[in-house]
Amino acid sequence: SQQGEEDPQALSIQEGENATMNCSYKTSINNLQWYRQNSGRGLVHLILIRSNEREKHSGRLRVTLDTSKKSSSLLITASRAADTASYFCATDLSFGNEKLTFGTGTRLTIIP
Amino acid sequence: EAGVAQSPRYKIIEKRQSVAFWCNPISGHATLYWYQQILGQGPKLLIQFQNNGVVDDSQLPKDRFSAERLKGVDSTLKIQPAKLEDSAVYLCASNERGTEQFFGPGTRLTVL
Repeated sequence: SQQGEEDPQALSIQEGENATMNCSYKTSINNLQWYRQNSGRGLVHLILIRSNEREKHSGRLRVTLDTSKKSSSLLITASRAADTASYFCATDLSFGNEKLTFGTGTRLTIIP
Repeated sequence: EAGVAQSPRYKIIEKRQSVAFWCNPISGHATLYWYQQILGQGPKLLIQFQNNGVVDDSQLPKDRFSAERLKGVDSTLKIQPAKLEDSAVYLCASNERGTEQFFGPGTRLTVL
């Protein structure tokens, strides 16, 4: 079963705009991670945020985590055509049990 | 650094036939995962190995799917006999304990 659900399912924005995707999950977690998947390719790890962290940055990416609401958001600033992809959140439950449970994904399209 | 290798990249078979996928993880990664990703969904874990032992195979359909990781390095995933609903991308991933998972390019299986 899917642990998380991303919202929205699909998002189209103009190049240069910011894109925000949300993820909700059901059970307590150890870490939450965001992955990108280009069409027909494997998943690429973007960022990992631990359950005791609230915000993390990596380049144009900003991730927040609210464990009280069991939700996370991924913000991509100054979007580029190359950001067109599907984005998934994934959670693991405990250190040493790193089985990832993925959400349903957000399909992001950047319009040049 | 070489990434996770998978072969073949594509496979088309008829239902009731058998098929095998191969994965070579990143050197030194003790944990190896097989995921199934059906079109439009997030990846779902099938089996997790720690070295050559199985950690979690709770979502592996054991009546038709089998996997092994001999010598704690390479792994093979087999389906016998295949059903139409097995059409999916099969992803292999590996990691060191406590770090993000690195994914291979996947094998796209079509069952006719």
